[in-house]
Amino acid sequence: QVHLVESGGGGVQPGRSLRLSCAASGFTFSSYGMHWVRQAPGKGLEWVAVLSFEGSNKYYADSVKGRFTISRDNSKNMLYLQMDTLRAEDTAVYYCAKAKTSSGSHAFDIWGQGTMVTVSS
Amino acid sequence: EIVLTQSPGTLSLSPGERATLSCRASQSVSSNYLAWYQQKPGQAPRLLIYGASSRATGIPDRFSGSGSGTDFTLTISRLEPEDSAVYYCQQYGSSPITFGQGTRLEIK
Repeated sequence: QVHLVESGGGGVQPGRSLRLSCAASGFTFSSYGMHWVRQAPGKGLEWVAVLSFEGSNKYYADSVKGRFTISRDNSKNMLYLQMDTLRAEDTAVYYCAKAKTSSGSHAFDIWGQGTMVTVSS
Repeated sequence: EIVLTQSPGTLSLSPGERATLSCRASQSVSSNYLAWYQQKPGQAPRLLIYGASSRATGIPDRFSGSGSGTDFTLTISRLEPEDSAVYYCQQYGSSPITFGQGTRLEIK
């Protein structure tokens, strides 16, 4: 069974940091590009970041560039999102998603259940 | 950045009817790298269509995608009650990846 399970969400004050994790199982994690996508309460989907299968190519949405860092540990089948200098507008459910290709430049065929991040003072 | 505009915003139809959802891009989508997702309340999105017209694994043939360039369509024939959801289009041919704002489909 193919699964992605996010963790690490919670409440945090503006300006603080949070690290999200995504545990993968049921597929060869090291062969696929991985993404983070977020969804603010009652809003649509916003792509956040992508990391290629071996971790050499990463790209970010302008809204998080310079504040968020995507990384992976293929030996542990784990994807991460380090979120620094958080803002109220970062409040959202964060999903990790598997791309259909190694580079990540494809549709997202597997999604996790999401983890909620709330940034508020 | 490619902006995707979906229409209509909300669609209300009866079981057995056909739904036609539109997604228009602000510029041509490279290689027709256009996907459709279904999202039900409290759930993660589910991939329906990729490459504009290829059905994802396990997706019934009632769901079909078409289009190219800047105009794409998701068609759901023979609507069932469980098709009630928000549907998003996504382009993954150009960076940044972008999503449409969604179409809410209500089954009467």
